[in-house]
Amino acid sequence: GQNIDQPTEMTATEGAIVQINCTYQTSGFNGLFWYQQHAGEAPTFLSYNVLDGLEEKGRFSSFLSRSKGYSYLLLKELQMKDSASYLCAVINDYKLSFGAGTTVTVRA
Amino acid sequence: EAQVTQNPRYLITVTGKKLTVTCSQNMNHEYMSWYRQDPGLGLRQIYYSMNVEVTDKGDVPEGYKVSRKEKRNFPLILESPSPNQTSLYFCASSLRREGETQYFGPGTRLLVL
Repeated sequence: GQNIDQPTEMTATEGAIVQINCTYQTSGFNGLFWYQQHAGEAPTFLSYNVLDGLEEKGRFSSFLSRSKGYSYLLLKELQMKDSASYLCAVINDYKLSFGAGTTVTVRA
Repeated sequence: EAQVTQNPRYLITVTGKKLTVTCSQNMNHEYMSWYRQDPGLGLRQIYYSMNVEVTDKGDVPEGYKVSRKEKRNFPLILESPSPNQTSLYFCASSLRREGETQYFGPGTRLLVL
C-alpha cells in the first residue's frame, strides 16, 4: 500500500521561509513530485526529485532522501500568492499517489 | 495552447442517472488519468490509461468506467451515480517518460443528490 504523510496546515509571515515535510512508505518508488494547488484550481507542477539531494528552482527548493523515505519543499521569501495547498506525490510505474496536502497560509 | 480540457466544469445530478465527464488533451500524451479529490483525503486515482485501448484501475475504481478509443480523449463514465461520488474530479495527462509531470485539467465539480 501507499502511505504518504504531510502536515495538514502551516502558517508563515510574508518574507519568511517555510519547510513542508513529506514522509512516505510506498510499495515502489520511481520519483517524488511536489505540486501547488490554489483553492478551486488544478494542481501545477513545482518540482521532481529522483536522486537524493537538493533541487533548487528560484524561491522553491525540494529535497529527497530515499533511504529515509523523506522529502521536503522549502519556500523562501514567502509572498501572499504562495498561499495554497502543496501536494507531495510519489510515482511508481506511472502511477501517482498523493499525500493529503499541506495548506500554507501566508500572513502580511 | 497546450492544455487538458474537461466538460462539464460543474454538474448537479440525481442518484442513478448515468453521466459522462469528458477529458481531452492536445499534447499527444500517451498517459491519461482520472482523480477525485475529497477534503482530508487528497487526490486519489480512479483509472489510468497508458495508451489507446489500454486502461487500468487506480486506487478507487468502484462505480466508474473509462474508455480510451482515441489518444486525445479519456472520458469518465458514472453508470449509476451515488451521493458518495460527489467530489471534485481531475483529468491529467503526460508523456510516458520518467520524470515527466502530469498536466491537470481544470476540474469538474460533481454533486449527486
